[in-house]
Amino acid sequence: DSGVTQTPKHLITATGQRVTLRCSPRSGDLSVYWYQQSLDQGLQFLIQYYNGEERAKGNILERFSAQQFPDLHSELNLSSLELGDSALYFCASSVEGPEDEQFFGPGTRLTVL
Amino acid sequence: GQNIDQPTEMTATEGAIVQINCTYQTSGFNGLFWYQQHAGEAPTFLSYNVLDGLEEKGRFSSFLSRSKGYSYLLLKELQMKDSASYLCAVRGSYIPTFGRGTSLIVHP
Repeated sequence: DSGVTQTPKHLITATGQRVTLRCSPRSGDLSVYWYQQSLDQGLQFLIQYYNGEERAKGNILERFSAQQFPDLHSELNLSSLELGDSALYFCASSVEGPEDEQFFGPGTRLTVL
Repeated sequence: GQNIDQPTEMTATEGAIVQINCTYQTSGFNGLFWYQQHAGEAPTFLSYNVLDGLEEKGRFSSFLSRSKGYSYLLLKELQMKDSASYLCAVRGSYIPTFGRGTSLIVHP
């Protein structure tokens, strides 16, 4: 158990819908990262938040957005869902920044039908 | 940009030693991570190298050569539970970029 929690574990929805994925980092960790992992793409970095502020952006689509709240939990919002968005979405946290070891949550498996 | 290459799949025998290679091309270098990921589970941290040389941690060791853009993960005394994907992640300027991973199959 990494100490990072993610909900829900599984999510099945239809194309065009919107979903919200939630993440609680390890106690004391200030950075939260979101990743997408699909079979053909590997682990792709989406976005990082540090202490409530957006710090770095990766290959995140405009249909996706995220935020980190004052209690440091984070949400990833995916809208206008497409079949290709089906993937495992991981949240990770680290003490400070990406120079530190990242602790990954169990992931949310999103299936878009 | 960054380019990371790892073999897609490797097989080895229980009790043996296996070396998983990772080569990279990156503008700037600020460290290389190795993570282990069992199927359907979260990646877990194995090692971090920022200077050249070998870092040993129990049955696992990781080596880095910055001049050659090369790293390897060495797994000794293989166990069945070591069957997993091994991800090499290179930190160029800021966020680490993950390779596609090497799927290691350990058979009896």
